[in-house]
Amino acid sequence: GQSLEQPSEVTAVEGAIVQINCTYQTSGFYGLSWYQQHDGGAPTFLSYNALDGLEETGRFSSFLSRSDSYGYLLLQELQMKDSASYFCAVGGGGFKTIFGAGTRLFVKA
Amino acid sequence: GAGVSQSPSNKVTEKGKDVELRCDPISGHTALYWYRQSLGQGLEFLIYFQGNSAPDKSGLPSDRFSAERTGGSVSTLTIQRTQQEDSAVYLCASSRDSVGSYEQYFGPGTRLTVT
Repeated sequence: GQSLEQPSEVTAVEGAIVQINCTYQTSGFYGLSWYQQHDGGAPTFLSYNALDGLEETGRFSSFLSRSDSYGYLLLQELQMKDSASYFCAVGGGGFKTIFGAGTRLFVKA
Repeated sequence: GAGVSQSPSNKVTEKGKDVELRCDPISGHTALYWYRQSLGQGLEFLIYFQGNSAPDKSGLPSDRFSAERTGGSVSTLTIQRTQQEDSAVYLCASSRDSVGSYEQYFGPGTRLTVT
């Protein structure tokens, strides 16, 4: 089976850096993705890691360690608009995708 | 169209009735996913279509749920004899799902309420 674990909530202040961790157990591995979802909205894609290491996209970076079955999303220079739920997911590339339960990020002024 | 569309946006039905939810994926996307999301919860995988391959139905919660994808494009999710626990937002997503292209594009969802 497949399962992903991530913290349910994280709180940080505007301008700070926050890291959202994700550990996974899968029968196979086809990449780790991250999605953002604002209340009432649809999930939107943030990043994807197929190989070990750090991927950087503007203020957001994502890291993967396949040997540790672990990844994280790093958000820098936090803004109020970053308050949302963040989901890690495994799969893709011709296989089904399984999402974690999501981490709700609260950004405070 | 520019993105994934779903219809209806809202559906209220009585317990025991059947409902059909529709998804129009982005043109050219070979992969199509259905997910269910209850209020404040994560995305629950339901079913995955990839090209002409047999769909992965491993996430369907019961035999009351079924889905089809006609002509490799439009998909319909059918829930028979709806129950109150079926109330949720049903999200559809599509992607090219080829090597190096994993981004899923989500539709706005159908909010289903079973009374």
